[in-house]
Amino acid sequence: GAGVSQSPSNKVTEKGKDVELRCDPISGHTALYWYRQSLGQGLEFLIYFQGNSAPDKSGLPSDRFSAERTGGSVSTLTIQRTQQEDSAVYLCASTKGPSTDTQYFGPGTRLTVL
Amino acid sequence: QKEVEQDPGPLSVPEGAIVSLNCTYSNSAFQYFMWYRQYSRKGPELLMYTYSSGNKEDGRFTAQVDKSSKYISLFIRDSQPSDSATYLCAMLPPDQGAQKLVFGQGTRLTINP
Repeated sequence: GAGVSQSPSNKVTEKGKDVELRCDPISGHTALYWYRQSLGQGLEFLIYFQGNSAPDKSGLPSDRFSAERTGGSVSTLTIQRTQQEDSAVYLCASTKGPSTDTQYFGPGTRLTVL
Repeated sequence: QKEVEQDPGPLSVPEGAIVSLNCTYSNSAFQYFMWYRQYSRKGPELLMYTYSSGNKEDGRFTAQVDKSSKYISLFIRDSQPSDSATYLCAMLPPDQGAQKLVFGQGTRLTINP
């Protein structure tokens, strides 16, 4: 595809359930980022993948959050035992490499935890 | 206190007006400064990118960085209704390897025809 895609576009879940959010980066992009955008907040960095290196998980807010990237392409962000404060838009971005390349963002997944 | 502060607005101006959007920051190590535009229900897209202090112009858009004051600005001339969006400033310290951008809260801008 031409850009970063994310699925689902919207997700409504009940408190305590687990959710999986998917990101397909631009083909050939080696770096992938996850961000969270809460109401009234800017984007907050969550996790970063670069090639086959160990991910930088320094932005994950709790151990309920995890992410993986299979085959250096598709990434899945998992939130276990969701809480209402997890409600936000989760954005994925990719870049050609790890340096100061332009980050291309997907449209995001809007997560609502009831 | 957040590392990057940005007035969330909303800001509403008539078509054709000059718009000024601003951010302040506290981390003097920031070297790369960016402005992103985000339309409703879309992901952010890079609008302007500046390294260190100075001005950069691209069409109707001008980005300014004043590192001594820890203050950055985005000016939009001859504003158009299509400029209505949320504008996010973002910053990055040097040589971090990963681009863990630090974003402002975003300013919601509406240009009225």
